[in-house]
Amino acid sequence: SAVISQKPSRDICQRGTSLTIQCQVDSQVTMMFWYRQQPGQSLTLIATANQGSEATYESGFVIDKFPISRPNLTFSTLTVSNMSPEDSSIYLCSGSRGLDTEAFFGQGTRLTVV
Amino acid sequence: AQSVTQPDIHITVSEGASLELRCNYSYGATPYLFWYVQSPGQGLQLLLKYFSGDTLVQGIKGFEAEFKRSQSSFNLRKPSVHWSDAAEYFCAVAPNTGFQKLVFGTGTRLLVSP
Repeated sequence: SAVISQKPSRDICQRGTSLTIQCQVDSQVTMMFWYRQQPGQSLTLIATANQGSEATYESGFVIDKFPISRPNLTFSTLTVSNMSPEDSSIYLCSGSRGLDTEAFFGQGTRLTVV
Repeated sequence: AQSVTQPDIHITVSEGASLELRCNYSYGATPYLFWYVQSPGQGLQLLLKYFSGDTLVQGIKGFEAEFKRSQSSFNLRKPSVHWSDAAEYFCAVAPNTGFQKLVFGTGTRLLVSP
């Protein structure tokens, strides 16, 4: 597997502001994903980050709220826009080298919105 | 739609005792199956995976899991639990048309008593 670094590891933000989370992989990966883990809950896929094109969002998640960039095969960002306390969660980046391979995860970004 | 059920929210096991965590899935075909562990403040670590072949798979840290098609189950086992195994365990599935995205169960929190 590869190593995924996420920044920041945690943050406390004011409601109405935006936060951009960075995800850096130490080697090229074919696929990158962003997940949300709400307090006491499981992980839910937000979107698949596609290199050079718009991300593919899951039901219930929209680009205006969670814009995603992926400029190359090792880097992606997730922005949580116009935050509210309901956005308080752990956000995790995941990567995979392709079909029939497992995913590996970053350590997550713990976001608290006040 | 795919779904994963982990019926046990919490499990407490004495150190040295055996462990079995249950996982059932709902999917039209045999999916790819995974177990991940999340320690406090950490990201997700892959314990083991099943893609095809031998239905008993060995993972890291002495864990194993058995895929039972007839029961749509993929239970995780360990013969002797160590205090360091205390963590949250997630079962996950992905379509067997090639790894694309994970659907996670709700997780089981393992507590280890002295």
